[in-house]
Amino acid sequence: AQTVTQSQPEMSVQEAETVTLSCTYDTSESNYYLFWYKQPPSRQMILVIRQEAYKQQNATENRFSVNFQKAAKSFSLKISDSQLGDTAMYFCAFIANTGNQFYFGTGTSLTVIP
Amino acid sequence: DVKVTQSSRYLVKRTGEKVFLECVQDMDHENMFWYRQDPGLGLRLIYFSYDVKMKEKGDIPEGYSVSREKKERFSLILESASTNQTSMYLCASSKMGRGHHQPQHFGDGTRLSIL
Repeated sequence: AQTVTQSQPEMSVQEAETVTLSCTYDTSESNYYLFWYKQPPSRQMILVIRQEAYKQQNATENRFSVNFQKAAKSFSLKISDSQLGDTAMYFCAFIANTGNQFYFGTGTSLTVIP
Repeated sequence: DVKVTQSSRYLVKRTGEKVFLECVQDMDHENMFWYRQDPGLGLRLIYFSYDVKMKEKGDIPEGYSVSREKKERFSLILESASTNQTSMYLCASSKMGRGHHQPQHFGDGTRLSIL
């Protein structure tokens, strides 16, 4: 079975600063996909960024980037130049290449302070 | 853009009632999912479906059933609602693709209270 662990239930960051959210996972699969999702307060969950395990290059989407360490089974999300709109719950998710089920972490609540 | 629509944002029901939560997606996605979201527990999968009339149990199927009679619609049924089923329920859909997984698209969620 796959497990996803987010060890930081809550974090805060000053506006314009950089913050890193951590995620680790456990799997015996060699091919898989990792995702970060964002759920703003009372709003829909949306995809932030996605990483394919066979790609060594870290994914980047504007101010969002990941640090993917396959050997360590670590997948952290870095948010640069934090904005008030980044305040949200962030979930890390995993799916094996051979599976149909997504596995989610317990989430990190991020607050951006003006 | 993909749209996943859940029939209610807020719902209040009584213990013992049969409760239906409806979810419709408009992008012809093969996969559909029902999760419940509780503080400190993240998202837990209740059921998912990868085709019409097909369903598979997730991690917490007890007390729930599902129905997928049409590709675009996936219903979650609480057979006899209990107070421990008070939660936020999220529906999601994704395109089929072993070896090329597409991300999930979520609905707005239904906050269900069982009194």
